[in-house]
Amino acid sequence: DAGVIQSPRHEVTEMGQEVTLRCKPISGHDYLFWYRQTMMRGLELLIYFNNNVPIDDSGMPEDRFSAKMPNASFSTLKIQPSEPRDSAVYFCASSLHSSTNYGYTFGSGTRLTVV
Amino acid sequence: AQSVSQHNHHVILSEAASLELGCNYSYGGTVNLFWYVQYPGQHLQLLLKYFSGDPLVKGIKGFEAEFIKSKFSFNLRKPSVQWSDTAEYFCAVNEGYQKVTFGTGTKLQVIP
Repeated sequence: DAGVIQSPRHEVTEMGQEVTLRCKPISGHDYLFWYRQTMMRGLELLIYFNNNVPIDDSGMPEDRFSAKMPNASFSTLKIQPSEPRDSAVYFCASSLHSSTNYGYTFGSGTRLTVV
Repeated sequence: AQSVSQHNHHVILSEAASLELGCNYSYGGTVNLFWYVQYPGQHLQLLLKYFSGDPLVKGIKGFEAEFIKSKFSFNLRKPSVQWSDTAEYFCAVNEGYQKVTFGTGTKLQVIP
C-alpha cells in the first residue's frame, strides 16, 4: 500500500487566495483526520471523518476553513481566504475502525506558507 | 477534556547517553497510549503503543515505554541513544474513541 498520500507537499500562496489541500487515505480505512502542526501550538486536530461523514469539526479555527470527503478515497481541506497565520504543516491521517488501538497512519504533510 | 503533558520541550544528549522523556495524561479511565516520532522533515510514525497487558512495552529501534496507571504516566526510554534518534517525539492518548490527543512534543537532539 502506498500509505496516506497528501498533495501538494509545499504550497506558497498570497494572503487572500484560496488554498486547497488534498488527501488520499489508505484504502479500506474508514477514519480520516486533518491535523495542523505549528511551532506555537504543536499538533492540533482540525476535523475528522468516519465513513466520509464529518464527526467532529470543533478544531476548525474559523469559517475560513472547510473540509470535505466526497468519497472514501479522497478528502480536501480548503482555506478561503488564506491569511499568514495559517502558515503551518497540515497532516492528514487515516485509521481502520477495527484497529482503533493501533494508532494512525500519517501522510507526509503539506507545508503551507501564506505571504 | 483529555490533556497530555510533555514537560521536556527540548532535550540534548550525547551519543550513548540514556534517554527518558516524560508524558502525563489527565484522563482517569481506560486509555490507549502511544508514542510517535517525527524525524526532521518527515511525517509522524508510530514508535510504540500500549492498550492492555504488560505495562512495559517495547517499540521499534530499541525504545520502550512504561505505563504507570497510578501516576498517569507513560514515559519513553532508551538505554543508549544514537545520532539517528534526533527527532521530535510525541506522546498521544486515545480514550477509546477515535479522537487522539497529542502532547506538544519533545525535541531530542543527539550530539555525536
